[in-house]
Amino acid sequence: AQKITQTQPGMFVQEKEAVTLDCTYDTSDPSYGLFWYKQPSSGEMIFLIYQGSYDQQNATEGRYSLNFQKARKSANLVISASQLGDSAMYFCAMREEGGYQKVTFGTGTKLQVIP
Amino acid sequence: NAGVTQTPKFQVLKTGQSMTLQCAQDMNHNSMYWYRQDPGMGLRLIYYSASEGTTDKGEVPNGYNVSRLNKREFSLRLESAAPSQTSVYFCASRVPGGNEQFFGPGTRLTVL
Repeated sequence: AQKITQTQPGMFVQEKEAVTLDCTYDTSDPSYGLFWYKQPSSGEMIFLIYQGSYDQQNATEGRYSLNFQKARKSANLVISASQLGDSAMYFCAMREEGGYQKVTFGTGTKLQVIP
Repeated sequence: NAGVTQTPKFQVLKTGQSMTLQCAQDMNHNSMYWYRQDPGMGLRLIYYSASEGTTDKGEVPNGYNVSRLNKREFSLRLESAAPSQTSVYFCASRVPGGNEQFFGPGTRLTVL
């Protein structure tokens, strides 16, 4: 069974600083995808970034990058130059690429950006 | 494009009552999902539909039924609501081969 672990329930970061949100995963499926979603206090789920298990390079999307270490089964999200609007819950998720492509979410990290 | 829409936004039920949560997407996506989100937890998959006419159980299907009425619509039914089903329910859709799931705004359900 696949599993996602986010060990940081909450984090603080100073505005304009970089922050890393941790995510480790476990799966027996050789082909999978890893995601990060942002959930602001308004409640909507916002897709941030995707990394495929066979991708050679780490994914980047603007200020977001995914530090993918396959051997360690980690997929940490790095946010550079934090902004006040980055304050939100962040969820790591994994999708197996076989079967019905079930998506499993972690429990989330609450990030607060301090002015 | 409205994306993924959900109705209602809020609902309060009494134990034992039934209701259907509606979800529709106008992006011509094949795959649709229902999740629940409880405080302090991530999203857990209730049911999934790979295409019109097919549905599969997810992680927490007990107490729920679904209907994939057509390509656009995927409804979630609670036949006899229980307080343990108090949660925020999200519907999502995805194009085959696509990476991103598009989420609806959620339905906040309280069962008394």
